[in-house]
Amino acid sequence: AQKITQTQPGMFVQEKEAVTLDCTYDTSDPSYGLFWYKQPSSGEMIFLIYQGSYDQQNATEGRYSLNFQKARKSANLVISASQLGDSAMYFCAMRVMDTGRRALTFGSGTRLQVQP
Amino acid sequence: EADIYQTPRYLVIGTGKKITLECSQTMGHDKMYWYQQDPGMELHLIHYSYGVNSTEKGDLSSESTVSRIRTEHFPLTLESARPSHTSQYLCASSRSLGGNTEAFFGQGTRLTVV
Repeated sequence: AQKITQTQPGMFVQEKEAVTLDCTYDTSDPSYGLFWYKQPSSGEMIFLIYQGSYDQQNATEGRYSLNFQKARKSANLVISASQLGDSAMYFCAMRVMDTGRRALTFGSGTRLQVQP
Repeated sequence: EADIYQTPRYLVIGTGKKITLECSQTMGHDKMYWYQQDPGMELHLIHYSYGVNSTEKGDLSSESTVSRIRTEHFPLTLESARPSHTSQYLCASSRSLGGNTEAFFGQGTRLTVV
């Protein structure tokens, strides 16, 4: 079974500062993918960034980067230069490759609030 | 922008009513999913589909049922709504090949059963 753990229910950050959202995962499968999604108060899920278990480099997408430490089974999201529009729930998720259904398993989320 | 649509966006309905939540995608994805999410909480998989005429239960037990008669359409039905069904329901789809492809989500249906 797969499990995602996000230990920060809520985080505050000042505008223009960087923030790290923690995510640890547990799986016995060697091939998996890790995803981060943003959920604003409107409810939709917005894909941010992806990291594959065999990727040698940490993923980056604009202001988002993923600090992937495979030995520690962690996949922390780093948001640089926070903006007020970054205030939202953030979910870490995992997909195990050798299951046919390819469904994502989600963590409990972190609510980020960016302060002016 | 994702081409996956859910209707209605909000639904308030009385106990005992039958409801169908609609989900359609225009991306030709084989795999589709329904997740249930209580406010501020994690998403739980309740149904998934590999393709037409292929549906299975997810990790969280649900009294709802689904059907997949066409690739693009994956409706969820509750035969008799109860207050315990009050939640947000999110539909998603993804390609079959390529584990690095993200799941695309609809905007969700916020269901309130009174």
